[in-house]
Amino acid sequence: DQQVKQNSPSLSVQEGRISILNCDYTNSMFDYFLWYKKYPAEGPTFLISISSIKDKNEDGRFTVFLNKSAKHLSLHIVPSQPGDSAVYFCAASLYSNYQLIWGAGTKLIIKP
Amino acid sequence: DTGVSQNPRHKITKRGQNVTFRCDPISEHNRLYWYRQTLGQGPEFLTYFQNEAQLEKSRLLSDRFSAERPKGSFSTLEIQRTEQGDSAMYLCASSRQGTGELFFGEGSRLTVL
Repeated sequence: DQQVKQNSPSLSVQEGRISILNCDYTNSMFDYFLWYKKYPAEGPTFLISISSIKDKNEDGRFTVFLNKSAKHLSLHIVPSQPGDSAVYFCAASLYSNYQLIWGAGTKLIIKP
Repeated sequence: DTGVSQNPRHKITKRGQNVTFRCDPISEHNRLYWYRQTLGQGPEFLTYFQNEAQLEKSRLLSDRFSAERPKGSFSTLEIQRTEQGDSAMYLCASSRQGTGELFFGEGSRLTVL
């Protein structure tokens, strides 16, 4: 059973527009959420995180929104740039152990 | 470059052979994690260490898998009697205690023929 789901395997967005990546989770005990970016032949790279006591966290062009009642989080990238083309993974954990449970990833393609 | 280092980057082996992967974490990080990733999936937790102590091990990790972190520095992941289903990317990550931000290595890709 998948505790963290990313239902869109891929997403194509025009350069300069907003990219919105979505993630759903089932375990209401999760209290820490992260987004990672992965380029081919590289390991995942941390992007941004959010604790369950917040509903929004912003870092430059990246904003993560958390809706606890819907068990849903999203990553917004504004404006999208060609270098943002990568696979984005959503991950969730308990603060107590940081054992991350990962989604399957969404491949983001930024079109020039 | 003082990031997480893994080797070998790619290992091809025949079924039934043993393989060992090594991970050198970022020096000031006391937590070290091993994950496995197959195509089209997110990383899957295998085990993690805090310093030299192995604190948690996934139920998915069969007895053929063993990991060590002697002296709390580098770590090795050994797979004995490899099977074709073991073919995957094996990722190592490290972090400081008390943070969830993991720093990943580039991974070691295992192909079992």
